[in-house]
Amino acid sequence: GAGVSQTPSNKVTEKGKYVELRCDPISGHTALYWYRQSLGQGPEFLIYFQGTGAADDSGLPNDRFFAVRPEGSVSTLKIQRTERGDSAVYLCASSLTSGDTQYFGPGTRLTVL
Amino acid sequence: AQSVTQLGSHVSVSEGALVLLRCNYSSSVPPYLFWYVQYPNQGLQLLLKYTTGATLVKGINGFEAEFKKSETSFHLTKPSAHMSDAAEYFCAVTLRRNYGQNFVFGPGTRLSVLP
Repeated sequence: GAGVSQTPSNKVTEKGKYVELRCDPISGHTALYWYRQSLGQGPEFLIYFQGTGAADDSGLPNDRFFAVRPEGSVSTLKIQRTERGDSAVYLCASSLTSGDTQYFGPGTRLTVL
Repeated sequence: AQSVTQLGSHVSVSEGALVLLRCNYSSSVPPYLFWYVQYPNQGLQLLLKYTTGATLVKGINGFEAEFKKSETSFHLTKPSAHMSDAAEYFCAVTLRRNYGQNFVFGPGTRLSVLP
């Protein structure tokens, strides 16, 4: 069956611009996670949704980052006023419910010039 | 807060040799432990996990790991390396199984397999 998909696969933007990254989880998965992976590092937790609500957003680095999941399926990670330090691969994962195995998408590589 | 260290950012082995990737964690309470593999341009894939029960855990592709509480370790092994095992491997720990499952990943170990 279809796995987690993320679009776009690559995004290049200029400093100060706004970007949106999309995640389509596996159908029927109620839990959805966003991570950020910088070069040479392991993924870093950003935010977790159970259904439509953000159950844990403690990993968001600052208020320029925001994520939504309005219908409990697709999620969008939004970054305002991008900075060069935001350049990374943004990973999305989903699980059947909280506590189950997470399945990861291929990621979106964001480059801020 | 929990943390994960992986000794060796890059490990090279010959095809057919033993693979040993090291993972140590710190945690104030018993953790759940995971190994993920990341092939180039692909998403992370779960190799194996330890939650409760048997401390020797077998995963996919012939990998296994042993949870050793006294050593706070969860090292990943495979008896005989294949060329297809070349990838990045991440150890991860979490404490809250039913709330957020806030994973903390180690920095990763890149495994190269030499012919």
